[in-house]
Amino acid sequence: EVQLVESGGGLVQPGGSLRLSCAASGFSFADYAMHWVRQAPGKGLDWVCGIGWNSGSIGYADSVRGRFTISRDSANNSLYLQMTSLRADDMALYYCAKGPSHQFNSGTTFFDSWGQGTLVTVSS
Amino acid sequence: EIVLTQSPGTLSLSPGERATLSCRASQSVSSSYVAWYQQKPGQAPRLLIYAASSRATGIPDRFSGSGSGTDFTLTISRLEPGDFAVYYCQQYGSSPYSFGQGTKLEI
Repeated sequence: EVQLVESGGGLVQPGGSLRLSCAASGFSFADYAMHWVRQAPGKGLDWVCGIGWNSGSIGYADSVRGRFTISRDSANNSLYLQMTSLRADDMALYYCAKGPSHQFNSGTTFFDSWGQGTLVTVSS
Repeated sequence: EIVLTQSPGTLSLSPGERATLSCRASQSVSSSYVAWYQQKPGQAPRLLIYAASSRATGIPDRFSGSGSGTDFTLTISRLEPGDFAVYYCQQYGSSPYSFGQGTKLEI
């Protein structure tokens, strides 16, 4: 059974930084693209970024490009999101999500498994 | 950027009835790369449909997807109590990979 467990969320001041982690199990993590998707309180879903199986392909939503960095450590079955220059509109529940194949590109960027999310609160 | 508009915003039906949810794209979605997700309160989304009409693993055949170009539909035949939730469509034909705003299916 696929399991994705996020951690690292919390309260941070505007302009601050936070690093999210996602521990994966139940599948061959090294063989799949992975993503972060967020959901502001009471709002809809918003794709944040994705990374291919070997980190050779990475993409970001315009709203986070230059501030967020996605990375992975396949030896430790872990996905990361380094967030800097955080703003009020970054406040959300951040989900780690698994892609259906090793590729990250148009045609493969949907999400067949999700974690339960970690909450990021940006407030002074 | 492709904007997805879902309708209706809220759909009120009863168990046993048929639900038809719409997702309209602001421009044609390449190769019908549209997915549908179900989200219940306090839970993560669950993939139902991908490639417009392919059911994800373990999804009952009461759920079906159709459409192409700019118009896509999720149909749930014979609603069960556990089907009442929020449903999102998503396009993955071009970046940024956008979601619709959701349709709430309520009793």
